[in-house]
Amino acid sequence: NAGVTQTPKFQVLKTGQSMTLQCAQDMNHEYMSWYRQDPGMGLRLIHYSVGAGITDQGEVPNGYNVSRSTTEDFPLRLLSAAPSQTSVYFCASSYQGTSGPYEQYFGPGTRLTVT
Amino acid sequence: AQKVTQAQTEISVVEKEDVTLDCVYETRDTTYYLFWYKQPPSGELVFLIRRNSFDEQNEISGRYSWNFQKSTSSFNFTITASQVVDSAVYFCALNEETSGSRLTFGEGTQLTVNP
Repeated sequence: NAGVTQTPKFQVLKTGQSMTLQCAQDMNHEYMSWYRQDPGMGLRLIHYSVGAGITDQGEVPNGYNVSRSTTEDFPLRLLSAAPSQTSVYFCASSYQGTSGPYEQYFGPGTRLTVT
Repeated sequence: AQKVTQAQTEISVVEKEDVTLDCVYETRDTTYYLFWYKQPPSGELVFLIRRNSFDEQNEISGRYSWNFQKSTSSFNFTITASQVVDSAVYFCALNEETSGSRLTFGEGTQLTVNP
């Protein structure tokens, strides 16, 4: 199993450009999420999905869009990049068992710089 | 709303010292789950432990131990006989049962173990 994969690993964008960060998992997890990590702020939830066709906003959703057409894929779209979106982005997946949510499996991250 | 506080931003110790990383959480739920993750300098997020709110037993795994105290809303992490390879950022995280699989992270503690 590849686990959670993310592409690209690094990306530089100019202000106003758009792009999609890709995320895929092969563990058949129903739950997937996107976080951003900024210095001194831990990881903050951007958007999440509890299954194909179902998405919802997290703590910091502005400027980002998601969709979930399959269980495996959960792309994150930056509509019009801004310097404030410079960050490291992590995708994660997990499953809910009979005894509650289990640990989240994280991808390797995408380091995004917006100039 | 759920909240996690890791008051120690940075800790520096000398190899073989014991070190405790503090985690205090806030939640209104009676059922919740607590996690610790490690982020080494390479950047990936590594799951360390999951604990549910009904299990207050302390846990020991090798040099790692966790002390969960509901009375003080704390879930502290101790590394015994620290090693240079323990140098990393450590995150505590909370998942309320009513929030599905949504994780709230603390800001993280940067641990540096010097030889």
